[in-house]
Amino acid sequence: SQELEQSPQSLIVQEGKNLTINCTSSKTLYGLYWYKQKYGEGLIFLMMLQKGGEEKSHEKITAKLDEKKQQSSLHITASQPSHAGIYLCGADSHNTDKLIFGTGTRLQVFP
Amino acid sequence: DGGITQSPKYLFRKEGQNVTLSCEQNLNHDAMYWYRQDPGQGLRLIYYSQIVNDFQKGDIAEGYSVSREKKESFPLTVTSAQKNPTAFYLCASSPLTPRDEQYFGPGTRLTVT
Repeated sequence: SQELEQSPQSLIVQEGKNLTINCTSSKTLYGLYWYKQKYGEGLIFLMMLQKGGEEKSHEKITAKLDEKKQQSSLHITASQPSHAGIYLCGADSHNTDKLIFGTGTRLQVFP
Repeated sequence: DGGITQSPKYLFRKEGQNVTLSCEQNLNHDAMYWYRQDPGQGLRLIYYSQIVNDFQKGDIAEGYSVSREKKESFPLTVTSAQKNPTAFYLCASSPLTPRDEQYFGPGTRLTVT
């Protein structure tokens, strides 16, 4: 079965710093989704990537999917306290309607 | 406003009791999902449904049951057979066509003592 591994598990950065979170799949991805979660709340959709080499940006967050479609990165530029939370990647490996999720990366941003 | 609602936000039950978690969506989505989230772990799929009156087991269905009598509603029952029911439960929905992201509800935190 497919697994998603996220790294790092936890990240603490100073406000204004850039950071990158990675999501690696054991199998080729048909779709890769990035979500953000505040503790004790639901998931908020950030971006979806489907094509190899695809890159999308929203405000200060950029997500990329590699050409082989097995690894994705989420990059935050000039981090702010509002970026704090848990970032989860979800993937659809067999073009089904089921997603599997990584274990998440907990981001803390201090002033 | 369109969205997914889950109620209640917090739920407390005694061991041995069944409990039903509510999930309603007004997004006209065909598919609905139930996930469980434990500390330090990602989301694990319990059950999902792509059409009314039909549903499939996910990866951790044992001790849970669902129904899908209406398109907008997908309640989850945590039975006494579930060994470790204390967790954060998330409901989601998505359209089947075109492929799109899953929309999540705010979650229900269930504590069983």
